[in-house]
Amino acid sequence: DQQVKQNSPSLSVQEGRISILNCDYTNSMFDYFLWYKKYPAEGPTFLISISSIKDKNEDGRFTVFLNKSAKHLSLHIVPSQPGDSAVYFCAASSISNFGNEKLTFGTGTRLTIIP
Amino acid sequence: DAGVIQSPRHEVTEMGQEVTLRCKPISGHDYLFWYRQTMMRGLELLIYFNNNVPIDDSGMPEDRFSAKMPNASFSTLKIQPSEPRDSAVYFCASSPKTGAAGNEQFFGPGTRLTVL
Repeated sequence: DQQVKQNSPSLSVQEGRISILNCDYTNSMFDYFLWYKKYPAEGPTFLISISSIKDKNEDGRFTVFLNKSAKHLSLHIVPSQPGDSAVYFCAASSISNFGNEKLTFGTGTRLTIIP
Repeated sequence: DAGVIQSPRHEVTEMGQEVTLRCKPISGHDYLFWYRQTMMRGLELLIYFNNNVPIDDSGMPEDRFSAKMPNASFSTLKIQPSEPRDSAVYFCASSPKTGAAGNEQFFGPGTRLTVL
């Protein structure tokens, strides 16, 4: 049972354009969401997060949007740069489930930025 | 800070052999996590520890898998006997004591396991 879903395994975007990565979840108890970025042969690294009390969080070129009613979040990268080419994982946690230290990850989306 | 350290980085073994993966978390972190990454299932949590005590091992696929954390600076994930379907990248991650705002986990570089 995949509680966090990333339905697009891959995405290609031209350099300078906006990249939009999507994530859906099924567990209504999730109250904290994170995006991780992973380069080949490296471990995932934290990128940006959002609490369920917010609907938007911005950090430089990266913005995460949360739509609780639709159980959907998205990561926007603008403008996209070649160094953004990586696999992006969406993750979620619930403070009511073992505290909020346990993360449930999606399957990842491979983003390729075309120069 | 050296970050989370995992060894070996690559492991190739034959079916039936015992495999031991090792992890050194970031000093001072209270939580340690073991994940497995596959194409089909993404990053799956296998087990995690809080202050060296296993908290949730519901993700451990079978009795062939076991994990220990004998002290705050070392953990092992053992597969015995190994099978070809265990081939994957195994990640260790650690995080500090969590707050109400949620937590960020710090991942090691992973161990790529190939079981022939």
